[in-house]
Amino acid sequence: QVQLQESGPRLVKPSGTLSLTCAVSGDSISSNNWWSWVRQPPGKGLEWIGEIYHSGSTNYNPSLKSRVTISVDKSKNQFSLKLYSVTAADTAVYYCASKTVISSRSFDYWGQGTLVTVSS
Amino acid sequence: DIQMTQSPSSLSASVGDRVTITCRASQSISTYLNWYQQKPGKAPKLLIYAASSLQSGVPSRFSGSGSGTDFTLTISSLQPEDAATYCCQQGYSTPLFGGGTKVEI
Repeated sequence: QVQLQESGPRLVKPSGTLSLTCAVSGDSISSNNWWSWVRQPPGKGLEWIGEIYHSGSTNYNPSLKSRVTISVDKSKNQFSLKLYSVTAADTAVYYCASKTVISSRSFDYWGQGTLVTVSS
Repeated sequence: DIQMTQSPSSLSASVGDRVTITCRASQSISTYLNWYQQKPGKAPKLLIYAASSLQSGVPSRFSGSGSGTDFTLTISSLQPEDAATYCCQQGYSTPLFGGGTKVEI
């Protein structure tokens, strides 16, 4: 059973950098999946942030692309998110998830999510 | 950009009712459509992939249909544990989720 676990600071100051890591167990980060980040502001819907393949290839949401970097660490079987120049609008529950490369490209496995608050 | 419109935004139904939720894409996405269930404080859970394929372990009262631009999620006989928010997601291009439908019992 694939399990994903987010970790990182829960409070980030405005204009700072949000940094999260997702540890993957039960599967290799080098498997045929895209490793993704999705966020959900309180009381709102889901927003895809971006994804990375084990080769290092990345895709980002155009609305966030200028502020996002996703990286992978194959030695630790984990991947990470950095979101720069954050504002209160970036306050959300951040999920990591695995997305299939076949069929309808669904998000099959999700972490439990971590609430990150942007506040001084 | 492909837009996803989900309706209704909320509904209230009784145990045993048949419930239908729709998702419409602004352009054809073939069957690159997935449905998720999300309960408060929990991560989304994949229910249906490729428009009509039931994810392993999901009760058979859930079903999906559609192709192109119009899709439907049906709960054939609503159960108390089905109280949740349901959302669609298109996988045809940049992943995009629908706005969600809150189902109350």
